[in-house]
Amino acid sequence: GNSVTQMEGPVTLSEEAFLTINCTYTATGYPSLFWYVQYPGEGLQLLLKATKADDKGSNKGFEATYRKETTSFHLEKGSVQVSDSAVYFCALVDRGETSGSRLTFGEGTQLTVNP
Amino acid sequence: DTGVSQNPRHKITKRGQNVTFRCDPISEHNRLYWYRQTLGQGPEFLTYFQNEAQLEKSRLLSDRFSAERPKGSFSTLEIQRTEQGDSAMYLCASSLRGNSNQPQHFGDGTRLSIL
Repeated sequence: GNSVTQMEGPVTLSEEAFLTINCTYTATGYPSLFWYVQYPGEGLQLLLKATKADDKGSNKGFEATYRKETTSFHLEKGSVQVSDSAVYFCALVDRGETSGSRLTFGEGTQLTVNP
Repeated sequence: DTGVSQNPRHKITKRGQNVTFRCDPISEHNRLYWYRQTLGQGPEFLTYFQNEAQLEKSRLLSDRFSAERPKGSFSTLEIQRTEQGDSAMYLCASSLRGNSNQPQHFGDGTRLSIL
């Protein structure tokens, strides 16, 4: 089956620090990959996506590159802000399944950025 | 552009009672998904609709759960004879039909608490 594994959290950083949140996946087909962000009390917002190997998704200073050889999609940001404090979810949709585009999520990584 | 709307935001009920949640997707989206999220975990897929047809149900969706989308617009999720283990955030998402690259847009969820 499909699965997504994220680095253990929580992660606490100082403002302007470099961020990496690791994500690896297992898929039976050829997945599209996503990062979603969830702020307290809210639903999930799409942060970025990548649909094929070596694609780089980017948004709001965040980046992630689809690495098929290592089955990874690590999230990075060069300089985090206090407003980036949230829970980050890595997710996939496996195009090899007749799954109606269901998302499979990782367990989430809580990021706290201190001033 | 109105997003995905879910009502109510919070529901507190006694064990054994029935509850119903409503989801209004983005108007032009023909796919609608339900997920369940427990504390500290990523969302788990429950079911999805394409227009009014319910095309897939997860094994997580016991026979106490039923979802409908009668006119291919809004959807309801009903839980009968609620149990303690049903306490969770119930998230609705919608997307355009197409390939799996179409992102899912999430509502803010309904938080269910079983007393």
